[in-house]
Amino acid sequence: EPEVTQTPSHQVTQMGQEVILRCVPISNHLYFYWYRQILGQKVEFLVSFYNNEISEKSEIFDDQFSVERPDGSNFTLKIRSTKLEDSAMYFCASGPGGDFQETQYFGPGTRLLVL
Amino acid sequence: LAKTTQPISMDSYEGQEVNITCSHNNIATNDYITWYQQFPSQGPRFIIQGYKTKVTNEVASLFIPADRKSSTLSLPRVSLSDTAVYYCLVGGRRAGNNRKLIWGLGTSLAVNP
Repeated sequence: EPEVTQTPSHQVTQMGQEVILRCVPISNHLYFYWYRQILGQKVEFLVSFYNNEISEKSEIFDDQFSVERPDGSNFTLKIRSTKLEDSAMYFCASGPGGDFQETQYFGPGTRLLVL
Repeated sequence: LAKTTQPISMDSYEGQEVNITCSHNNIATNDYITWYQQFPSQGPRFIIQGYKTKVTNEVASLFIPADRKSSTLSLPRVSLSDTAVYYCLVGGRRAGNNRKLIWGLGTSLAVNP
């Protein structure tokens, strides 16, 4: 069964450093997402991406964040200058699209710790 | 997107049937109901989706009454490995490419031996 993969599984970084989180969505999916989940809290939407551009972003997704689909398979989330409060699990998801509420398939996540 | 209300936690025992009910009083005509499962430190996993009446797959059943203002996820004969957080989400046809999922706190299910 195809699945979404994410690398790295864990990342520790110093405040102010740049991090890039990588995702390989399911190959025939058209919609891509990043969510985050701070420990003990609910899953929060960050950004959705379709047709090589951002289709929606949340208020969390400020100028420090960017996404890219550099080739036909990878989907990356970059945080330019990390802050302590960026520490969280980051989940990538992809979906096949369709007219109605689609099913989104989530990766295993990257645990980011900012020191 | 319609707001959902679920119990914060539930307890059960191995072998029992577990029913988790979600309220969504403001569900719109074109909204579907979807349930996800999440284990600690893992990504959410799709369980089941439905629009009305009953949907069943190899994992669970979803019961939706005629007014669609609530739904019940039914897990038959739970095992310890079903201990997880279960999320109910409601949403429908998207305008443009806006397809984000809005998550609540879910229901934390504990299955005891």
